[in-house]
Amino acid sequence: SQQGEEDPQALSIQEGENATMNCSYKTSINNLQWYRQNSGRGLVHLILIRSNEREKHSGRLRVTLDTSKKSSSLLITASRAADTASYFCATLNTGTASKLTFGTGTRLQVTL
Amino acid sequence: EAGVTQSPTHLIKTRGQQVTLRCSPISGHTSVYWYQQALGLGLQFLLWYDEGEERNRGNFPPRFSGRQFPNYSSELNVNALELEDSALYLCASSLAWANTGELFFGEGSRLTVL
Repeated sequence: SQQGEEDPQALSIQEGENATMNCSYKTSINNLQWYRQNSGRGLVHLILIRSNEREKHSGRLRVTLDTSKKSSSLLITASRAADTASYFCATLNTGTASKLTFGTGTRLQVTL
Repeated sequence: EAGVTQSPTHLIKTRGQQVTLRCSPISGHTSVYWYQQALGLGLQFLLWYDEGEERNRGNFPPRFSGRQFPNYSSELNVNALELEDSALYLCASSLAWANTGELFFGEGSRLTVL
């Protein structure tokens, strides 16, 4: 079963614009992670935010976490064509012993 | 350092056949995870192995099985293949089970069942 639901399902922007993706989840978490998947390939870990953190930055990525609303957002600033990919949130849920549960993903298309 | 490697990368089978997928984790990683990703969908958790033991299993029928070897590599076996088993099968590895859960993925094995 899916834990997270990403919103929007698909997003199309132009190069240089910012892209924001949202993730909602249902249960208590230890941490939330964002992954990127190029078409038909493996996933690559982008950033991890712990349940006691509210915001985290890594390069052009900014992640926020609101545990009261059970939601997270991923902001990619100054998007590039190379950012075109699917982005998934994944939660490490309390008591699930290291099993990550993935959301449904957001397909991001960045055009020139 | 070599990443997670999976084989084969692509394969085609017919209904009722059996398939074995293989995964080698990153050196030093003891946990191996298997996920199924049907076309256009998210990842569904299949199996988690750590130190040679099955630690957790997703909501899949028993014809999905696997094992982990002493060198921490892993196999995923699917018996009596069905059309809906067509998917990208992703293997991931991580350090010991008590870590943050950050996973390192292979490129996947794309299975097509005709």
